[in-house]
Amino acid sequence: GQSLEQPSEVTAVEGAIVQINCTYQTSGFYGLSWYQQHDGGAPTFLSYNALDGLEETGRFSSFLSRSDSYGYLLLQELQMKDSASYFCAVSKTGNTGKLIFGQGTTLQVKP
Amino acid sequence: DADVTQTPRNRITKTGKRIMLECSQTKGHDRMYWYRQDPGLGLRLIYYSFDVKDINKGEISDGYSVSRQAQAKFSLSLESAIPNQTALYFCATSDPGQDYGYTFGSGTRLTVV
Repeated sequence: GQSLEQPSEVTAVEGAIVQINCTYQTSGFYGLSWYQQHDGGAPTFLSYNALDGLEETGRFSSFLSRSDSYGYLLLQELQMKDSASYFCAVSKTGNTGKLIFGQGTTLQVKP
Repeated sequence: DADVTQTPRNRITKTGKRIMLECSQTKGHDRMYWYRQDPGLGLRLIYYSFDVKDINKGEISDGYSVSRQAQAKFSLSLESAIPNQTALYFCATSDPGQDYGYTFGSGTRLTVV
């Protein structure tokens, strides 16, 4: 089978750094994506890792360790607008195009 | 205009009724998807299509059907709606070279009573 595990909720204060973890179990793993969703709106793509290491995009970074089947999304200099749900998603080999999503982590940023 | 447009935005329907959710995209991508979102369950794939003649079932296709009318249009139908199909439905599209980065529509909130 295949599964992804994320914490259900994370709370942090404005200006802080927060890390959202994602562990996965799947055959034919190809890459790990991260999406942000505000209040049931359209999920929006944030970041992608196909190789081990850190990818940085402004205040957001994403990390992947293929040997540990683990990745994380790092949000720095948190702002109130970062309060949202964050989903990790696995893409698989074979050019399937399909993404398998985790259950999502709700991030609450407090003043 | 949005890259991916879903209609209707909200819909309440009765058990047993047939309902169609529509999706159109202006990205020019061949690949389109329908996902369902339930609280605490993330997004689950219902159907996907790689071109007009290619339709594939996802992990939860029972009770649903789709139609790919054109490259830009992909509709989802509930043949006989039931209450446990109450959910938020998202359409998405992707570039075959960048399948990790979907563009989603704003969703259809469907309630079956």
